[in-house]
Amino acid sequence: KNQVEQSPQSLIILEGKNCTLQCNYTVSPFSNLRWYKQDTGRGPVSLTIMTFSENTKSNGRYTATLDADTKQSSLHITASQLSDSASYICVVSAGSSNTGKLIFGQGTTLQVKP
Amino acid sequence: NAGVTQTPKFRVLKTGQSMTLLCAQDMNHEYMYWYRQDPGMGLRLIHYSVGEGTTAKGEVPDGYNVSRLKKQNFLLGLESAAPSQTSVYFCASTRGTRAYNEQFFGPGTRLTVL
Repeated sequence: KNQVEQSPQSLIILEGKNCTLQCNYTVSPFSNLRWYKQDTGRGPVSLTIMTFSENTKSNGRYTATLDADTKQSSLHITASQLSDSASYICVVSAGSSNTGKLIFGQGTTLQVKP
Repeated sequence: NAGVTQTPKFRVLKTGQSMTLLCAQDMNHEYMYWYRQDPGMGLRLIHYSVGEGTTAKGEVPDGYNVSRLKKQNFLLGLESAAPSQTSVYFCASTRGTRAYNEQFFGPGTRLTVL
């Protein structure tokens, strides 16, 4: 069964600190992996998209890594800001799908405190 | 560009009532999706459409119907609402299914069924 598991479920850090969120997936065949940020009461917004040939991709203070061999990804947030408080969702697309269907993790809720 | 919009933003229904959620996108996207998001779970696909006039079932289609009469609109209907359909509903659209095609999400509709 195709699954995406994220850890931790929730995280609290102080403003200015770094943090790393984890994602493990069992999706076959793999096409690409995405990280989304979802602010409270809003829809998810894409941060990064990586195919199997990419090991890392950055978007400002957000850096995603992908290890297609171990089927793991991480999202590293540098010098956190209060506005980083949100849910971060790992999403995987199966390569066999021509319908654009995505498999979503349950998300990690990040709270950045001053 | 407004992107993806959803109406209404909030709705309270009684068990057995019906309603229609409207999703509109102004990006000329071919693919549109309806998801539901429940606490502690990843987004789950209800129905999707790969083009005007076409619809297909997703992961959790029971109790819902959809229509895509116009390319820019995707309607989600609840014929006889049940408390289990209390959720936040998100619509998304994308240009295509290639790896880097981003899915853009609407702001969500929060539905409560009493």
